[in-house]
Amino acid sequence: QSALTQPPSASGSPGQSVTISCTGTSSDIGGYNYVSWYQHHPGKAPKLMIYEVTKRPSGVPDRFSGSKSGNTASLTVSGLQAEDEADYYCSSYAGSNIFGVFGAGTKVTVL
Amino acid sequence: QLQLQESGPGLVKPSETLSLTCTVSGDSISSRNHYWGWIRQPPGKGLEWIGSMYYSGSPYYNPSLKSRVTISVDTSKNQLSLNLNSVTAADTAVYYCTRQPIVVIQGYPFDYWGQGTLVTVSS
Repeated sequence: QSALTQPPSASGSPGQSVTISCTGTSSDIGGYNYVSWYQHHPGKAPKLMIYEVTKRPSGVPDRFSGSKSGNTASLTVSGLQAEDEADYYCSSYAGSNIFGVFGAGTKVTVL
Repeated sequence: QLQLQESGPGLVKPSETLSLTCTVSGDSISSRNHYWGWIRQPPGKGLEWIGSMYYSGSPYYNPSLKSRVTISVDTSKNQLSLNLNSVTAADTAVYYCTRQPIVVIQGYPFDYWGQGTLVTVSS
């Protein structure tokens, strides 16, 4: 059982938006602005998409955005493209040098 | 370009020790700017952080694995190692090597990952 709760799946048509939620507790998501999101195409290395809740690493399209309210973080993918079809994982720092608690992942399908 | 390459046995017997190595190329494992560590993903399940360390410091471990895991660094070979003892079928997973920036960026995100290696625990 994962520490963070994500929906197992989400979908949208090309050009549409999809939002993935990630719910934790006051000990992780709610306690720190240290939420990150990862994109994973099976068989490849996972890729960091968002860090510190809202920041994008260099090279990540601005179609990807993050937010947080209370104990729930969200990732929004706008203008869906075929290559966005992947598994997405959220993660949060959980204090006491526990660097990553993760969700079980959300499979995004581009219809 | 940074590359992290995991290597090690793909099959380990129950009660034995799982040992993996991560070879880092394109960066120095002695970098003052990064932690290095391991994450795993059991088949059909989510990701689990195993542990991380600074090249010259003490490792930080997931409390749920702390009694069985050892992470170490070999700076001369630019390698990171993982040992997990007394393994069971529940330790069957894809094991990933990771890097975490600790300067400028806060929150210890995992900014680079290896492609992962599947380790199966079975007799």
